[in-house]
Amino acid sequence: QKEVEQNSGPLSVPEGAIASLNCTYSDRGSQSFFWYRQYSGKSPELIMSIYSNGDKEDGRFTAQLNKASQYVSLLIRDSQPSDSATYLCAVKRGGSYIPTFGRGTSLIVHP
Amino acid sequence: DVKVTQSSRYLVKRTGEKVFLECVQDMDHENMFWYRQDPGLGLRLIYFSYDVKMKEKGDIPEGYSVSREKKERFSLILESASTNQTSMYLCASSLSSPDRVGGYTFGSGTRLTVV
Repeated sequence: QKEVEQNSGPLSVPEGAIASLNCTYSDRGSQSFFWYRQYSGKSPELIMSIYSNGDKEDGRFTAQLNKASQYVSLLIRDSQPSDSATYLCAVKRGGSYIPTFGRGTSLIVHP
Repeated sequence: DVKVTQSSRYLVKRTGEKVFLECVQDMDHENMFWYRQDPGLGLRLIYFSYDVKMKEKGDIPEGYSVSREKKERFSLILESASTNQTSMYLCASSLSSPDRVGGYTFGSGTRLTVV
C-alpha cells in the first residue's frame, strides 16, 4: 500500500517566521512530488512541483526532496497570515496517472 | 491559465434522486478525475479518465458512474443518491501521463448535500 504521511497539525507560526511542512512517502518508485495549498472551503491549488533531489525555490516557497530518505518538505519564508491553509503533499509513481495524496497539514500564521 | 469549471457550487438533493455533476476544462488536458473530500478522510479518487470514452475506477467507485463523451467534459453520476454521498466533490484535470509529469488543476468543487 502506497502511503503518504503528513502531520495533521495545526502547525502554528508567528508572522514573518519560516514554516516547515514535512511529508514522508513509502513508495520508492515515486518520481513526481507536489505541494497543494487548500484554503478552508476551497479546492486545492498546485503551488510547487519537484522531480529531482535537492531544493527548488519559487518566491517565498522552497520545496526540498530527498529520495534516499523518502521525504519531501515545503518551506515558507516570511510567513503571512494569508498563508494559513491546509497543505497537501502528493506523490506520483513513475508509470502511473494517479498521485497519492497525504491528508494535509494545517498551517496557522498568527500576527 | 487552465480553467476547470464545475457547474454547481452547492447542491441539495433528495435520497434516491439521480444526480449529475458536470466538469469542463478548457486546456485540452487528456486526463480528468473525480474525487470526494471528507473531513478526516482526505481526498479519495472515485473515477478517472485518460481519454475520451475511457474510464477507470478509482478507490471508491461504488454508487457512482461517469461519462466522457468529449475531451473537455467529464461528468459524475450518482445513480441513486444516498445520505452517505454527502460530500465535497472535486474535479481535476492534468496533462500528466505515465511518462510525463504534471500536477492537477482542480475545479472549485461542488458541495453536495443529500437529504
